[in-house]
Amino acid sequence: DGGITQSPKYLFRKEGQNVTLSCEQNLNHDAMYWYRQDPGQGLRLIYYSQIVNDFQKGDIAEGYSVSREKKESFPLTVTSAQKNPTAFYLCASSSYRADTQYFGPGTRLTVL
Amino acid sequence: AQTVTQSQPEMSVQEAETVTLSCTYDTSESDYYLFWYKQPPSRQMILVIRQEAYKQQNATENRFSVNFQKAAKSFSLKISDSQLGDAAMYFCAYIPVRGGSNYKLTFGKGTLLTVNP
Repeated sequence: DGGITQSPKYLFRKEGQNVTLSCEQNLNHDAMYWYRQDPGQGLRLIYYSQIVNDFQKGDIAEGYSVSREKKESFPLTVTSAQKNPTAFYLCASSSYRADTQYFGPGTRLTVL
Repeated sequence: AQTVTQSQPEMSVQEAETVTLSCTYDTSESDYYLFWYKQPPSRQMILVIRQEAYKQQNATENRFSVNFQKAAKSFSLKISDSQLGDAAMYFCAYIPVRGGSNYKLTFGKGTLLTVNP
């Protein structure tokens, strides 16, 4: 089955730690995205990548970093510089940048 | 800047009845896509329906249909024969086809739909 997987489903981070969220897709999509969702809010774009080895900042990139070494993978690192990282994180992909985006199941990150 | 507005934070419907969720958007672009996504309690975002702005015909997917009014910048979702499994948060979203530096998928804040048995 083609789709997008995210791991882990739940993640707990201590203050000052960096953590990495995984996102993998087997849809052969060129573009991948990371969004953050806070309670009562829509989704806000953190980073996106339109092609391997290239990525762009979204609206709320501060305190986050990404890499795109493989077409299938787009991991997100939440660094200690992110002041309020507790949120639900969604990864998405699309064939090209303006096409329909399909989402993974999400990762819930909680800072202890 | 593009904005998407969902004016109904919450809606409810009786099972088997019809409900319409509202969405308006603001853009200076002429070519764009509009979407409705559903987010059930599992929190996975699921595509419900997509509309291309250049198409005059309203999109339909089984019990889901849209009323796309380009001049009014309105994009409502109609759910017919509502089922308990339709209960979810519904998000309206917009993306320009040729956005350049403005390219991104912009979401509204969502409408929480409750389906009563």
